[in-house]
Amino acid sequence: AQKVTQAQTEISVVEKEDVTLDCVYETRDTTYYLFWYKQPPSGELVFLIRRNSFDEQNEISGRYSWNFQKSTSSFNFTITASQVVDSAVYFCALSETLYSSASKIIFGSGTRLSIRP
Amino acid sequence: DAGVTQSPTHLIKTRGQQVTLRCSPISGHKSVSWYQQVLGQGPQFIFQYYEKEERGRGNFPDRFSARQFPNYSSELNVNALLLGDSALYLCASSYWTESYEQYFGPGTRLTVT
Repeated sequence: AQKVTQAQTEISVVEKEDVTLDCVYETRDTTYYLFWYKQPPSGELVFLIRRNSFDEQNEISGRYSWNFQKSTSSFNFTITASQVVDSAVYFCALSETLYSSASKIIFGSGTRLSIRP
Repeated sequence: DAGVTQSPTHLIKTRGQQVTLRCSPISGHKSVSWYQQVLGQGPQFIFQYYEKEERGRGNFPDRFSARQFPNYSSELNVNALLLGDSALYLCASSYWTESYEQYFGPGTRLTVT
């Protein structure tokens, strides 16, 4: 079955520390997409990144970086020099192709990140 | 361009009542998907509609139904509300049914008392 596992329920670090959020996935699809979303207290899902299964290059965007390793089915997210504004719940997610060409996104249970000043 | 819009923002209902949530997709998008996010969990897929037809359905009871209109807007209906239906309901739109380009709205927070 398709599944996304975020083993870290909560992480708390002091501002300016680096922090890595882990994500492991299971899929039967040969082509799929992986995502990371941020959900601040307001509740809106903020899209951070999308990566397709054929692109294993790591990506860096400012203080954010992502490490995709197909061999271990992992898609980890690192925040460098964390800031208080990074405090939120972060979701890792996986696309799943359904019948009749439909598709859905499967979300992990989320990691609550708290950055202490 | 406006993003995905949802209404209402919040609402409170009583057990046994019925509720209708509304979603307007991004202009030009023809597919709408609905997700339920219970507190402390990740969003769970409910439905996907494309060109007014249901294309996918998650593991939700028949109390949950939806429809899509000719202008591609969508409504999610939940009958016989239970306390467990209290959640944030998210709508996502995309041009096609591919999930890699789904854009999420701000959500409707439903509280059932």
